[in-house]
Amino acid sequence: QVQLVQSGAEVKRPGASVKVSCKASGYRFTTYFIYWVRQAPGQGLEWMGLINPSGGSTSYAQKFRGRFNMTRDTSTSTVYMEMSSLRYDDTAVYYCTRAVRVVSAMDVWGQGTTVTVSS
Amino acid sequence: QSALTQPASVSASPGQSITLSCTGTSSDIGLYDYVSWYQHHPGKAPKLIISDVSNRPSGVSNRFSGSKSGNTASLTISGLQAEDEADYYCSSYTSKFTEDVVFGGGTKVTVL
Repeated sequence: QVQLVQSGAEVKRPGASVKVSCKASGYRFTTYFIYWVRQAPGQGLEWMGLINPSGGSTSYAQKFRGRFNMTRDTSTSTVYMEMSSLRYDDTAVYYCTRAVRVVSAMDVWGQGTTVTVSS
Repeated sequence: QSALTQPASVSASPGQSITLSCTGTSSDIGLYDYVSWYQHHPGKAPKLIISDVSNRPSGVSNRFSGSKSGNTASLTISGLQAEDEADYYCSSYTSKFTEDVVFGGGTKVTVL
């Protein structure tokens, strides 16, 4: 079946970096965009950006330009989100999800990865 | 502050119908028919329940329906059931430079 499986929870110090993975299975990897969405504690969902696994092009929400970097590995059908210079307010659950077009709804979601930034 | 505006909470008794609103602008909901709705139970992954304003994915109960008028989209849940208690988020494609997709702040639905 179609699945997005994310890497496990992370605890990082402020200023550190973390790389979260999202492995796709059950469909042709290059035919769907992968989005990242985060939910901070007590907050709503927030769209971070997308990557097109076909060519690797990316688009980031303005708030997430600079410290966030999405990449993909087509050989393993995996997308990565690397976050650098972590701050306390990066503490959140990070979800990967897919959409067949940029305008399309997000029809399959990963289980979420909790990233905690704590000293 | 979310780009789309949703009421923070709605509550109703089992069997009743409720309508959740999602207000955007002429750059998103008012411009495109690319509104979707997600049901989110805490601790689980969000679930798509409505796409493209009013399309219900396979397997989603027909008690969920969507519509749009101007800059406001709506989600109606009829015959409310205990398992409908969750957070509901709307989202839309947007023409704004700052991002491609925007979410609402979410509505907490409580079944009394």
